[in-house]
Amino acid sequence: GQQLNQSPQSMFIQEGEDVSMNCTSSSIFNTWLWYKQDPGEGPVLLIALYKAGELTSNGRLTAQFGITRKDSFLNISASIPSDVGIYFCAGATSGTYKYIFGTGTRLKVLA
Amino acid sequence: NAGVMQNPRHLVRRRGQEARLRCSPMKGHSHVYWYRQLPEEGLKFMVYLQKENIIDESGMPKERFSAEFPKEGPSILRIQQVVRGDSAAYFCASSYRLAGVVNNEQFFGPGTRLTVL
Repeated sequence: GQQLNQSPQSMFIQEGEDVSMNCTSSSIFNTWLWYKQDPGEGPVLLIALYKAGELTSNGRLTAQFGITRKDSFLNISASIPSDVGIYFCAGATSGTYKYIFGTGTRLKVLA
Repeated sequence: NAGVMQNPRHLVRRRGQEARLRCSPMKGHSHVYWYRQLPEEGLKFMVYLQKENIIDESGMPKERFSAEFPKEGPSILRIQQVVRGDSAAYFCASSYRLAGVVNNEQFFGPGTRLTVL
């Protein structure tokens, strides 16, 4: 089935650094969601985006809905050890409920 | 706990047995979605249900898999005659509005990890 491309696939960063990751699709989406998944747990919703160009923050996290509607970006500022996990993007087109999930970005923070 | 609940969290079955996975949506949510996740992969949509109705089962294998969301009680994902390839994490999500409407976020449960021996 169709999947979104997320990059990078994994990254190691030092505590305190900023992190950027993105998600791209060949399809236009009307909604983008960003989730974080810890080992052995379900995905937790971080940010929801509904309009092209929208920029939304949740604490140290900021996500943007790309103006082409084919991409989205997630930034984490001043990373801390508990930011470790897998970050997934998910996109959906208008009038559908079927979210397409990205392949995930695995983040590891070095103290 | 007002979140999505799933049980069991871990399930071990031998080949040929049946697996039943349960999901109770968040309070006030009447839409349930089941996803499957293989190790090191993203989530793959399986089925979307509303109370007493299957809306879309296009992601679910035609054989051995079935899902229901009765008027009372949790949603059930049932896998008959399990095979080793069914080993995966199965997640349930719920939402409170129809798709296409703002705020149709899906909230996930902790998952059931199925191991087929």
